[in-house]
Amino acid sequence: DARVTQTPRHKVTEMGQEVTMRCQPILGHNTVFWYRQTMMQGLELLAYFRNRAPLDDSGMPKDRFSAEMPDATLATLKIQPSEPRDSAVYFCASGNWTGGSEKLFFGSGTQLSVL
Amino acid sequence: SQQGEEDPQALSIQEGENATMNCSYKTSINNLQWYRQNSGRGLVHLILIRSNEREKHSGRLRVTLDTSKKSSSLLITASRAADTASYFCATVPYNQGGKLIFGQGTELSVKP
Repeated sequence: DARVTQTPRHKVTEMGQEVTMRCQPILGHNTVFWYRQTMMQGLELLAYFRNRAPLDDSGMPKDRFSAEMPDATLATLKIQPSEPRDSAVYFCASGNWTGGSEKLFFGSGTQLSVL
Repeated sequence: SQQGEEDPQALSIQEGENATMNCSYKTSINNLQWYRQNSGRGLVHLILIRSNEREKHSGRLRVTLDTSKKSSSLLITASRAADTASYFCATVPYNQGGKLIFGQGTELSVKP
């Protein structure tokens, strides 16, 4: 079965360190989303791409977060420097936008703990 | 910012009973979707209803959409213990490039 693959599954780091999360979308999907999930805020949309171009990254703290798609098989989310408040589960999801209805397929997430 | 708000936040029922979850949203939409999340896992798509549809069925799931009230409901009939999970509605706001915005979710517990 095709699936969205996220690495690493878990990451524990110290405040100030750089964190890179990776996502391999489903082959053929043209849209990739990054979400962050916490108990307090729920699922927040951080950024999303279509055909590798960023469409909206207004949900990301720009001073420390960056999202890229170096190629169609890889999306990255970086935090530099990381802070304890960044502790959350980060989900990547991909879909195939055809101008109408699009359902998303989610990865298993990266659980990030910043100490 | 959250587009959808769900009600109730938590729901506990016995196996065999029906579970109803509601979602309200703020802006015009292209479609509305429901997802399920088991503890510690990613979300799984359940059903999608377009803005010109009023009701949709999939197995034991029934979704309604009332665009005049900006609300939707998800009904799970004859619930099973395996339905225990969090359920999220997600909206695709009109003319916003297909972004999907999630509500806070309803935590459903089905007791055997």
